[in-house]
Amino acid sequence: EDQVTQSPEALRLQEGESSSLNCSYTVSGLRGLFWYRQDPGKGPEFLFTLYSAGEEKEKERLKATLTKKESFLHITAPKPEDSATYLCAVQARGNKLVFGAGTILRVKS
Amino acid sequence: EAGVTQFPSHSVIEKGQTVTLRCDPISGHDNLYWYRRVMGKEIKFLLHFVKESKQDESGMPNNRFLAERTGGTYSTLKVQPAELEDSGVYFCASSQSGYHGYTFGSGTRLTVV
Repeated sequence: EDQVTQSPEALRLQEGESSSLNCSYTVSGLRGLFWYRQDPGKGPEFLFTLYSAGEEKEKERLKATLTKKESFLHITAPKPEDSATYLCAVQARGNKLVFGAGTILRVKS
Repeated sequence: EAGVTQFPSHSVIEKGQTVTLRCDPISGHDNLYWYRRVMGKEIKFLLHFVKESKQDESGMPNNRFLAERTGGTYSTLKVQPAELEDSGVYFCASSQSGYHGYTFGSGTRLTVV
């Protein structure tokens, strides 16, 4: 069964304090790994798709990397507006996504 | 472009009643998905439409849930009769191609009391 585990469950950072979020996955035939950001009361907002081990993508202060077993979302010099829940999901058979439980990030100024 | 629109944003109903959720996808998106998040759990897949056809409904929990997509445009998800465990946030998403990131709506928060 496809499974996604995210850690930590919650992370508190000071503004400017860089860190990483982890997404471990087991899936038969990975077609894509997705990172989303979710703000309270909103739907998930697409950030990145990674398709193969070794791939990296960047957007502003965020950088996503992928290995055969896990993905990392690196946050460099975060700001308070980066506070959100970050969701990881994998796409295997068909088009459905299997989500992890998410990491709640709080960045304090 | 307009995003994925869901309504109502909130619904509170009594156990045994019927509720219909609606989703308007981004215009031109053939793929439409329903997901839900129940309290304390991950977001889970319910079903996938390609145009008006159900491509995958493996996540539908039971036959109290009925999804339709009229003419390949908007979709409805009806729960009849609602049970307490149906409470949660129901998300709709759409995409042009199935192999890329979806665009999600803001969700409908359903509370069954």
